[in-house]
Amino acid sequence: AQRVTQPEKLLSVFKGAPVELKCNYSYSGSPELFWYVQYSRQRLQLLLRHISRESIKGFTADLNKGETSFHLKKPFAQEEDSAMYYCALSGANNLFFGTGTRLTVIP
Amino acid sequence: NAGVTQTPKFQVLKTGQSMTLQCAQDMNHEYMSWYRQDPGMGLRLIHYSVGAGITDQGEVPNGYNVSRSTTEDFPLRLLSAAPSQTSVYFCASSYGTSGFEAFFGQGTRLTVV
Repeated sequence: AQRVTQPEKLLSVFKGAPVELKCNYSYSGSPELFWYVQYSRQRLQLLLRHISRESIKGFTADLNKGETSFHLKKPFAQEEDSAMYYCALSGANNLFFGTGTRLTVIP
Repeated sequence: NAGVTQTPKFQVLKTGQSMTLQCAQDMNHEYMSWYRQDPGMGLRLIHYSVGAGITDQGEVPNGYNVSRSTTEDFPLRLLSAAPSQTSVYFCASSYGTSGFEAFFGQGTRLTVV
């Protein structure tokens, strides 16, 4: 069965500090993983996908199949990074979401 | 380009009332879906559609009904509202599910009293 786990509901870091949002998954096939972000008063939007291997707004995420993880990282957090972050896995006719992590960057 | 449009943004219902949440997209996406967002639960799939005339149940379909008569529209009907359906509802669309970006509406905050 597909499952996405985000162990941290809340995460606070100081501006300029590194940030890592954890995501672990369970999936029998070859996973396609995403990070979605929801800023205050904005709609949910795609941040990045593992297939693109890109860096968006300074964020990167590497798929580790051995550890079944897809952690989101940024070396220097900015105040505008404060938002709700969801890890998601694309399965058969479905996009499975984790429970989300609310990131607060303290000035 | 409007993307995904949901109406209404806010709604208060009494227990037992019915209503329809509207969702429309102008991107010619085949796949559309409805999620509910609850604190500590993330987004859970209610119903989805892979094309006009085709719908299927997601993880939490009970108490909801959908239809897909056109590619653009995917309304969600609450048959007899219950307090447990108090939630934020999101409609999403994409070209497909495998590897495609999902585009979300702005959400509908529903309160059932």
